Amino acid sequence: DARVTQTPRDKVTEMGQEVTMRCQPILGHNTVFWYRQTMMQGLELLAYFRNRAPLDDSGMPKDRFSAEMPDATLATLKIQPSEPRDSAVYFCASGLVRSGGPPWELFFGEGSRLTVL
Amino acid sequence: DAKTTQPPSMDCAEGRAANLPCNHSTISGNEYVYWYRQIHSQGPQYIIHGLKNNETNEMASLIITEDRKSSTLILPHATLRDTAVYYCIVILDRLMGGKLIFGQGTELSVKP
Repeated sequence: DARVTQTPRDKVTEMGQEVTMRCQPILGHNTVFWYRQTMMQGLELLAYFRNRAPLDDSGMPKDRFSAEMPDATLATLKIQPSEPRDSAVYFCASGLVRSGGPPWELFFGEGSRLTVL
Repeated sequence: DAKTTQPPSMDCAEGRAANLPCNHSTISGNEYVYWYRQIHSQGPQYIIHGLKNNETNEMASLIITEDRKSSTLILPHATLRDTAVYYCIVILDRLMGGKLIFGQGTELSVKP
């Protein structure tokens, strides 16, 4: 089964450290999303990419977060420096959008659980 | 994109139909209704979507009212594994594809 792969699954770090989360989208998908989930805020959209180009990152704190797609098989979300309030589960999702085509579905990874002490 | 309103929680007996309502009274003519669910500690999973007509797939049925201001997701024979948070999302299918914004959803508990 094709699936979205996220690493690491669990990360515990100390405040101020850099954290990088990685996502391998499903081969052939042209759209990648990053979401963050906490008990208080639920699922929040941080950023998304189409054909590796960022389309919207308005949900992301710009001063410490950055998202990139170095190539079609890898998306990264970096936090530098990390803070305790960044503790959450970060989900990556991928989907295929066809120009002028029907609606599409997103496939989510299993998430990266981040704890910042 | 239109906002949605869902009850925060619902219970359902195992083997019975689970009917999850969603209100989207501000929906516009070219906005789709999507349903996703999230089983505890997993990523959300696509269930079904529709525009105007009722839809059915192997997982569920989606009933959209004629004025499109509300919809109901039906799980015909709920099992314990259907216990999850169910999200109703309304999205505009722009040429470039829209972004999915999740609300708080309905927490469905299927009980033996």
